[in-house]
Parts: sequence; C-alpha cells; structure tokens
Amino acid sequence: AQKVTQAQTEISVVEKEDVTLDCVYETRDTTYYLFWYKQPPSGELVFLIRRNSFDEQNEISGRYSWNFQKSTSSFNFTITASQVVDSAVYFCALSEAGGFKTIFGAGTRLFVKA
Amino acid sequence: DTGVSQNPRHKITKRGQNVTFRCDPISEHNRLYWYRQTLGQGPEFLTYFQNEAQLEKSRLLSDRFSAERPKGSFSTLEIQRTEQGDSAMYLCASSSPSYEQYFGPGTRLTVT
Repeated sequence: AQKVTQAQTEISVVEKEDVTLDCVYETRDTTYYLFWYKQPPSGELVFLIRRNSFDEQNEISGRYSWNFQKSTSSFNFTITASQVVDSAVYFCALSEAGGFKTIFGAGTRLFVKA
Repeated sequence: DTGVSQNPRHKITKRGQNVTFRCDPISEHNRLYWYRQTLGQGPEFLTYFQNEAQLEKSRLLSDRFSAERPKGSFSTLEIQRTEQGDSAMYLCASSSPSYEQYFGPGTRLTVT
C-alpha cells in the first residue's frame, strides 16, 4: 500500500532562516511520481514540483530545493532564506505509475516570523 | 488562462438533504479528480475521471456519493442523505497527462 509520512506537524522559524520539510514515502511500484504542494492561508493548493522515480537529480528553483533519495524513500524540501510569505501548509504526495490515485501526507505547517 | 473553478464555494445544509457540487477543470485537461479535506489533514482521494470515464473510486466513498463527468468537461459530485461526518472541504483538481494536478478553491460543506 502507498503511504506518505510527514513527521513534522508544525515548524516555526524566524525570517531568513533555512528550513527543511521532511517527506518519507512507501510504495511497491517501481515507477511512481512524487509531488510537493503549498496550501497558503487562502486555502488553494499550489503545485510546486513533480519528480518521477527514475530521476534522482536534486532540483533547485530560486529559494526552493528538493532532495530525492530512493535509498531512504525520502523527498525532502528545503526553503533557503525563508520569508513570511512562505508561511503555509506544505504537502508531500505520491502517485502510482498510472497517475490516478494520489496519496497526500498530513502536511507540515510552516510559520515564518518576521 | 483560467484555472479550476468550483461552485458553490460554501454550502450549508441540514442532515439528510442532498447536495451537488460542480467543478470546471482547465479546458485542455482530460483528467479530473475529487478529493475531500478535513481540518488538519491532507486531501483524501475520492475519485478520478479520464475524459468522461470514471476510472477509480475510493473504497472510502460510500454509496451516498456519486460523481459524473458528462462529455468529459465539467464534473459534478453529489452527496445524498448528508450526514454530519460529511462536513469537509471538497476539492477538485485537473491535470494533463504530465500528472501534476491543479486544484480549485474548493467547496466547503457544513452539515447541521
């Protein structure tokens, strides 16, 4: 069965600190997709990144970076020099190869204080 | 480019009533998903359409829930004989075959 675990329920940092959000997943599929979504206080989920299981290259997009390690079944997300606007709930998600059913983690609520 | 839209945004109903929600996906997306989200939890998968075909339905979805996507365009989610436990945010998402899903603002259902 597929499962996504985000062990950090809430994280609080001061602006400009770096913060890493952890995501551990379980799947029996050899082909799968991993995602990160952001849910700001306004409520609408925003897509951040997609990774397929064959691509373990880390990715950097501005202040955001993602570290995918199949050996530890982890797909961690780091925000560098956090800003107040980064305050949101962040969800990690997993889709099987067909891309039908997507399993979301419980989310990590990030508070960035000025 | 318009995003995914959902109507209504809020619905208050009495227990036992039927409710119907509508989702209009991004026009070029052939995949459409429904999720339910309760406070403090991640979205929970309900069902999935590829064009007009409903290809997967969560076992968590009782017979009181039904979804349709006529002509592969908009979709409706109906809940019959609502219960207080149905109170949640109902989210719709759409995607192209590249798999990343784009979400609508959701419909918040309150069953009194």
